Amino acid sequence: DGGITQSPKYLFRKEGQNVTLSCEQNLNHDAMYWYRQDPGQGLRLIYYSQIVNDFQKGDIAEGYSVSREKKESFPLPVTSAQKNPTAFYLCASSIGTGGAYEQYFGPGTRLTVT
Amino acid sequence: DQQVKQNSPSLSVQEGRISILNCDYTNSMFDYFLWYKKYPAEGPTFLISISSIKDKNEDGRFTVFLNKSAKHLSLHIVPSQPGDSAVYFCAASYNYGQNIVFGPGTRLSVLP
Repeated sequence: DGGITQSPKYLFRKEGQNVTLSCEQNLNHDAMYWYRQDPGQGLRLIYYSQIVNDFQKGDIAEGYSVSREKKESFPLPVTSAQKNPTAFYLCASSIGTGGAYEQYFGPGTRLTVT
Repeated sequence: DQQVKQNSPSLSVQEGRISILNCDYTNSMFDYFLWYKKYPAEGPTFLISISSIKDKNEDGRFTVFLNKSAKHLSLHIVPSQPGDSAVYFCAASYNYGQNIVFGPGTRLSVLP
């Protein structure tokens, strides 16, 4: 089955501990995205990647950094550099970038940092 | 400042009736609009879209209307079914732009 997977579904970490959120797709999509959702807010774009070895900052990239070494994978490290990391994180992919291309979303990872 | 607004956080509708979800945008450069649906513990899924050259797009029970002069779009679901209960996100983009801007979502509850 083709799709996009994120693991784990729930992640708990203590403040100061670094963690990497996983995102894998087997849809052969070039573009991949990371969003976060906070209560009462829509999905806000953190970073996106149009193609392997390329990535661009989204609206809330501060404190995050990414890399894209493989077409099927776009991990998101969450480090102590991110001031408010507790959120619901969604990964997505699409054939290309832009509104005309439907984005396929993973099930999300809820990260709680205490 | 939110470029895509959904001013109703929640909406309740009786089964069989029409659900109307509203969305407003501020950026006149947006020319492609999408609706996504999200169930709890799942990622959003694409529902329907509309290009700015149209004022209406229909797909089964779902119709999206676009009023460019008012910078307003709406999603109509007729007839509403309990399985439609979900959070609906309005989104906007420049056609072939780099990314999509999402609204905060409206939680629809369809009551049996």
